[in-house]
Amino acid sequence: ETGVTQSPTHLIKTRGQQVTLRCSSQSGHNTVSWYQQALGQGPQFIFQYYREEENGRGNFPPRFSGLQFPNYSSELNVNALELDDSALYLCASSRDLRETQYFGPGTRLLVL
Amino acid sequence: AQSVTQLDSHVSVSEGTPVLLRCNYSSSYSPSLFWYVQHPNKGLQLLLKYTSAATLVKGINGFEAEFKKSETSFHLTKPSAHMSDAAEYFCVASAPSNTGNQFYFGTGTSLTVIP
Repeated sequence: ETGVTQSPTHLIKTRGQQVTLRCSSQSGHNTVSWYQQALGQGPQFIFQYYREEENGRGNFPPRFSGLQFPNYSSELNVNALELDDSALYLCASSRDLRETQYFGPGTRLLVL
Repeated sequence: AQSVTQLDSHVSVSEGTPVLLRCNYSSSYSPSLFWYVQHPNKGLQLLLKYTSAATLVKGINGFEAEFKKSETSFHLTKPSAHMSDAAEYFCVASAPSNTGNQFYFGTGTSLTVIP
């Protein structure tokens, strides 16, 4: 059984650009959540997808958007990048809503 | 409103002595509660979770936590610290909201283990 994987591992973008981060959920999991972890901070909940539908959203602007595919993998898209978007982006999958979340290693995004 | 407060940003213990990492939560509901550990440059690993079954929850690596509803606390303990326990620890609460499930992380406690 493979764990949660994320790609890419690192990424450098400039202000105003757009970025897409990818997450493959653990086998058998239908729920994916995304988090932003700024340096020295705890992860902040961005949103959750359950069976291809958004099921919850944290306090992030609409330029943060996502998708979940029929195989339950997911994408996080961020438009109009700002310097403060520099962070570690974590994806977590779970077998169902409110079940234990298993985290991927993260994608470290640097916005210059 | 839901929130998680980790009462100590840094905890330092000697190897072989007990560990106590404190967490309080506030919620209109009975939340699911979790402790995760994050080693440097690594992803988050689940230590244990509480989901309204037994109030004393045992996790991996000798860690355990006790849910105390009257105190709205979910403190993490370990009888004897090991050098490999040095890491960042996060207390997490999960609860339903009008926009779906929400997950709330505390700000983290950095554990240092002194040889």
